[in-house]
Amino acid sequence: GAGVSQSPSNKVTEKGKDVELRCDPISGHTALYWYRQSLGQGLEFLIYFQGNSAPDKSGLPSDRFSAERTGGSVSTLTIQRTQQEDSAVYLCASSLAPTSDEQYFGPGTRLTVT
Amino acid sequence: KQEVTQIPAALSVPEGENLVLNCSFTDSAIYNLQWFRQDPGKGLTSLLLIQSSQREQTSGRLNASLDKSSGRSTLYIAASQPGDSATYLCAVRALGTYKYIFGTGTRLKVLA
Repeated sequence: GAGVSQSPSNKVTEKGKDVELRCDPISGHTALYWYRQSLGQGLEFLIYFQGNSAPDKSGLPSDRFSAERTGGSVSTLTIQRTQQEDSAVYLCASSLAPTSDEQYFGPGTRLTVT
Repeated sequence: KQEVTQIPAALSVPEGENLVLNCSFTDSAIYNLQWFRQDPGKGLTSLLLIQSSQREQTSGRLNASLDKSSGRSTLYIAASQPGDSATYLCAVRALGTYKYIFGTGTRLKVLA
């Protein structure tokens, strides 16, 4: 079946503009994660959604970042008033947590803020 | 605050060698630990998941061990192949949370 997909694959935006990144998880996966990977850095947890529970937003770096998951499926990560330090690869993963923690990752969206 | 460290940062070995990648974490109150590989320009692929109650997991030429009390995990790769060249990441999930903390990875190159 289809894996996790993310769009766009690349996004170049000007400083100060808003961007939306999309993640389509594997069908039936109840859990969805967003991570950020900056050049030379490890993966940084941003936010976690589990079913209808309130999301764990503890990793969001500032109030310019927000995410939603509609209908327990597709998720959108929004970054408002982008800054150059927001440039990174944004990765999405889904899993069958709590049944299984094995995470399936999408290919990522490379965001460049100029 | 949980911190995850991976040593070495980079490793280059000739084909056929057995090798060990190391992962250490500062807080032993973990739920599980996962090992991933990341190929250039791609997302991560889960390799092995070890629950906190387990000591090791095996998949093919890969074996991962966990010593929770000492805050260490190792990933053993037997008979390495050029196709094993990738960055290997470990990640721990703390008790009471679904949040994963990742190490910065070991970049492995297996030479033909």
